[in-house]
Amino acid sequence: NAGVTQTPKFRVLKTGQSMTLLCAQDMNHEYMYWYRQDPGMGLRLIHYSVGEGTTAKGEVPDGYNVSRLKKQNFLLGLESAAPSQTSVYFCASRVLRRGGHNEQFFGPGTRLTVL
Amino acid sequence: AQSVTQPDIHITVSEGASLELRCNYSYGATPYLFWYVQSPGQGLQLLLKYFSGDTLVQGIKGFEAEFKRSQSSFNLRKPSVHWSDAAEYFCAGLSGGSYIPTFGRGTSLIVHP
Repeated sequence: NAGVTQTPKFRVLKTGQSMTLLCAQDMNHEYMYWYRQDPGMGLRLIHYSVGEGTTAKGEVPDGYNVSRLKKQNFLLGLESAAPSQTSVYFCASRVLRRGGHNEQFFGPGTRLTVL
Repeated sequence: AQSVTQPDIHITVSEGASLELRCNYSYGATPYLFWYVQSPGQGLQLLLKYFSGDTLVQGIKGFEAEFKRSQSSFNLRKPSVHWSDAAEYFCAGLSGGSYIPTFGRGTSLIVHP
């Protein structure tokens, strides 16, 4: 049981390049989330998904797109990377269970630098 | 608006000393509350959570937290800190029926030998 995994762990991009970050979870969780973490800013939600085939915008969605074609995978895309997108990106998942008090499980993060 | 506030950006303690990290919440009704820890270069890991019942919650690594409705607080405590506890700590709240937890900005714990 690997939990939540993220690929890649590190990446350096040039301004204008595109890339996709992959998040995978093997816990059969319904909910998945993408966050970015910047110094002094805490965690900010980019996009989230409440089930296969559904996505929704979070707090800071501009410049990012997402897809959830399979329940276990949640992809985060940057179509044209900008230096402001330099950050550490975390994926999380959460189970849908009656009561709603279920915690999130986080991946190890992807450190992205945009030059 | 729903919010979670961690008033302390940094906390410095000596190894072996007691620790209390503060968390205040603002919700219409009592939310579910969580404490997570993030070690350097790692993702977040759940320490403990509160959703009902006993207001003193025990977690992993010797941590506990007390829910106080009258103070809208959910402070994290540990009686004796170890150097390995140095990390970033996040408090989060989640209202019933919501998909999206609200995180505090985090508190960085520094442990002096």
